[in-house]
Amino acid sequence: EAGVTQFPSHSVIEKGQTVTLRCDPISGHDNLYWYRRVMGKEIKFLLHFVKESKQDESGMPNNRFLAERTGGTYSTLKVQPAELEDSGVYFCASSFSGRETQYFGPGTRLLVL
Amino acid sequence: EDQVTQSPEALRLQEGESSSLNCSYTVSGLRGLFWYRQDPGKGPEFLFTLYSAGEEKEKERLKATLTKKESFLHITAPKPEDSATYLCAVRMTGTASKLTFGTGTRLQVTL
Repeated sequence: EAGVTQFPSHSVIEKGQTVTLRCDPISGHDNLYWYRRVMGKEIKFLLHFVKESKQDESGMPNNRFLAERTGGTYSTLKVQPAELEDSGVYFCASSFSGRETQYFGPGTRLLVL
Repeated sequence: EDQVTQSPEALRLQEGESSSLNCSYTVSGLRGLFWYRQDPGKGPEFLFTLYSAGEEKEKERLKATLTKKESFLHITAPKPEDSATYLCAVRMTGTASKLTFGTGTRLQVTL
């Protein structure tokens, strides 16, 4: 069974540009989560989808971040315009409804110059 | 505020030298505590879930235990391939499903 996949694995952009990250969850997982780890800090929650609906977006830092989950399958996280402090590793995770365990993808390493 | 603290930050062991990693938490209500392993350049890999004080889970050389205030990850006779960062995360009671992570313990096991 394929795990959570994320694309791209790395992205280097300049301040002010736009970047879109993609996450494909494990097949059949209704829950999809985005997390972020900035340099030297712990992994922090950004938001949670149940199917195509945003269940919790309390961790989104500001309105430059937009997350979508088309048809309850894959999800995208767009940062527009990117700022230097957005640099970090963005992880996606997924889980079955009713199950606690979240399975993580390999992450997208974003560097904003 | 919910908090997860892991110690030590880094640990160097010789092969076969057993030790324990600590995860202490202060949350309003614990629904579950999770241990993950993370290798460089990869995402967190699930190891264990613990739900209530007194619970223990084992997998190969790893054993996780839980009390009302902390969890331990015991590593027995580690091998170099156990070298990784070990992350602890908690999920609170209530409707939110998000995990709150600690900063991790970087474990290095040498020959």
